[in-house]
Amino acid sequence: QKEVEQDPGPLSVPEGAIVSLNCTYSNSAFQYFMWYRQYSRKGPELLMYTYSSGNKEDGRFTAQVDKSSKYISLFIRDSQPSDSATYLCAMSAPGAQKLVFGQGTRLTINP
Amino acid sequence: DVKVTQSSRYLVKRTGEKVFLECVQDMDHENMFWYRQDPGLGLRLIYFSYDVKMKEKGDIPEGYSVSREKKERFSLILESASTNQTSMYLCASSPPGSGASYNEQFFGPGTRLTVL
Repeated sequence: QKEVEQDPGPLSVPEGAIVSLNCTYSNSAFQYFMWYRQYSRKGPELLMYTYSSGNKEDGRFTAQVDKSSKYISLFIRDSQPSDSATYLCAMSAPGAQKLVFGQGTRLTINP
Repeated sequence: DVKVTQSSRYLVKRTGEKVFLECVQDMDHENMFWYRQDPGLGLRLIYFSYDVKMKEKGDIPEGYSVSREKKERFSLILESASTNQTSMYLCASSPPGSGASYNEQFFGPGTRLTVL
């Protein structure tokens, strides 16, 4: 079983829809939770970062962490064609210099 | 802005060739990483380095080696390229993290390597 599981999709939704992207994990030591966005032919860029449990909002993006269920989510409201990308969840434990990534979900927003 | 550059965007090599992938970062970061990215498998860590001349194996080091002679430069070496090493290779860097914080990894644009 992978340490971090993410549905690779692909996921295709109409413009304006609410998008929900999810990851589950097995390592209870993870405390740092990230979402990276990767456009085609580019490297990943950090989109959201959350420490421990709770919610974090940044514009149209909301990241949620439920440590009791070992489940994290990224919600995109009022999705735009420019949100079309691959979204990767990533996690790390305190003191660890390296991240563990999910498989990435390829998202397409159709105009 | 942090910049991580990789020597080639696209590379085609023959089976058995020795391949060098170069990565340079300009933010004086201590940590540097090499990943490969394959469809359905996400990013998998090959090697990382937390200081000059230091290296640590990641999850899939077999068939690869690395070199870090200068802080800003981290090289990935395929000693004898094989077709199963056809992949997207991504380099990243970050400042050192502590027990109470996380530091963002900054990625280069990637090198798409094809081994024929």
